[in-house]
Amino acid sequence: EVQVVESGGGSVQPGGSLRVSCAVSGFIFSSYEMNWVRQAPGKGLVWVSYISYSGSTKYYADSVKGRFAISRDNAKNSLYLQMNSLRADDTGVYYCARGCSSDSCDVYWGQGTLVTVSS
Amino acid sequence: QSVLTQPPSVSAAPGQRVAISCSGTSSNVGDNYVSWHQQLPGAAPKVLIYDNYKRLPGIPDRISGSKSGTSATLAITGLQTGDDAVYYCGAWDNNLNGWVFGGGTKLTVL
Repeated sequence: EVQVVESGGGSVQPGGSLRVSCAVSGFIFSSYEMNWVRQAPGKGLVWVSYISYSGSTKYYADSVKGRFAISRDNAKNSLYLQMNSLRADDTGVYYCARGCSSDSCDVYWGQGTLVTVSS
Repeated sequence: QSVLTQPPSVSAAPGQRVAISCSGTSSNVGDNYVSWHQQLPGAAPKVLIYDNYKRLPGIPDRISGSKSGTSATLAITGLQTGDDAVYYCGAWDNNLNGWVFGGGTKLTVL
């Protein structure tokens, strides 16, 4: 059974930092691209960042470029998002989402972790 | 303003059929797989359709997806009250190098 479990969310002051993690099981992690997607309260889904199978290629939404860093540890079946210089508009639920393999894009979502940026 | 365009809301009676459209461009829907995601109130998104028309195990065949050119459609037949949710389409965008979504369509089963 595929499992995707985020952790590390919480409350932080503007300008602060936070690292969220995603632990996966039930599939070959190193065979899948991975993404972080966030959802502000009452709003829609917004893609944040992408990482390739090996971690050699990374992409970021313009709104987080230079502040967020995505990484993965294939030996630990884990995905990470380091978030620095956090702003109030970074508040929301952060979802870890499995992307594409070489065969298909059978997306799978985690349950999300809430990040609140407030003074 | 979302990159992919969906109607904000649709409604239909139980047992009826509804179709939700998703319009994009040649850099996203036109050139990449489309996925459809259901989000129930207070829950995480759940994939209904991937690779334009494929269903994950457990998704009933009354839910279907299709794509033509730069548009995609999610169709749900035999509507049930449990289908009351927000539905999002998504696709990779080659110009933005990112995953883009529609703004979401609120399905109300009357």
